[in-house]
Amino acid sequence: ETGVTQTPRHLVMGMTNKKSLKCEQHLGHNAMYWYKQSAKKPLELMFVYNFKEQTENNSVPSRFSPECPNSSHLFLHLHTLQPEDSALYLCASKDRGTDTGELFFGEGSRLTVL
Amino acid sequence: AQSVTQLDSHVSVSEGTPVLLRCNYSSSYSPSLFWYVQHPNKGLQLLLKYTSAATLVKGINGFEAEFKKSETSFHLTKPSAHMSDAAEYFCVVSDYGRGATNKLIFGTGTLLAVQP
Repeated sequence: ETGVTQTPRHLVMGMTNKKSLKCEQHLGHNAMYWYKQSAKKPLELMFVYNFKEQTENNSVPSRFSPECPNSSHLFLHLHTLQPEDSALYLCASKDRGTDTGELFFGEGSRLTVL
Repeated sequence: AQSVTQLDSHVSVSEGTPVLLRCNYSSSYSPSLFWYVQHPNKGLQLLLKYTSAATLVKGINGFEAEFKKSETSFHLTKPSAHMSDAAEYFCVVSDYGRGATNKLIFGTGTLLAVQP
């Protein structure tokens, strides 16, 4: 139990579908992150939210749309994805107050785009 | 700019033998360094971290790492491997203290196999 919960754990979607990934953290943290993990590539930072405000968008295509309604919840809305978007999407959170750099990760949502 | 290089993509050891996973970093500042572990179908879990205190850092599950500035290395070791150590390990450098986002730069990972 990591304190960061991601749903669904597995998702298969067609290129014309619209779906969403959800992340919830129970740690009282105030910063949340989306990462993409593809085979044989380093983890790619996608988005950063601090106190619900987006502070970083790492040149992510607009077919990925994040939403952070409060400090505990983070969504990634998916629309007209491509097969190369198939990957493990990891959510993470951090307490900016302690600022040691440590991130707490969820178990990920495995996305397959057909 | 910061970067991290994990020198081995795969390491295989026998149970009970030592583990060495190698990591070199590049940083313009005094870095923070981390090792994370990812077991199959799981998220990443912090093993240990170096943040400019003692150069020998002890982590969970018997792992430790030594920060060597002269060699720009932060290798991960364990005296005796256990079957449950089989996982992927990520070396990470952070620009801690340099800005609001404190970006973590991840290595490409080392997959550790432990043979019975």
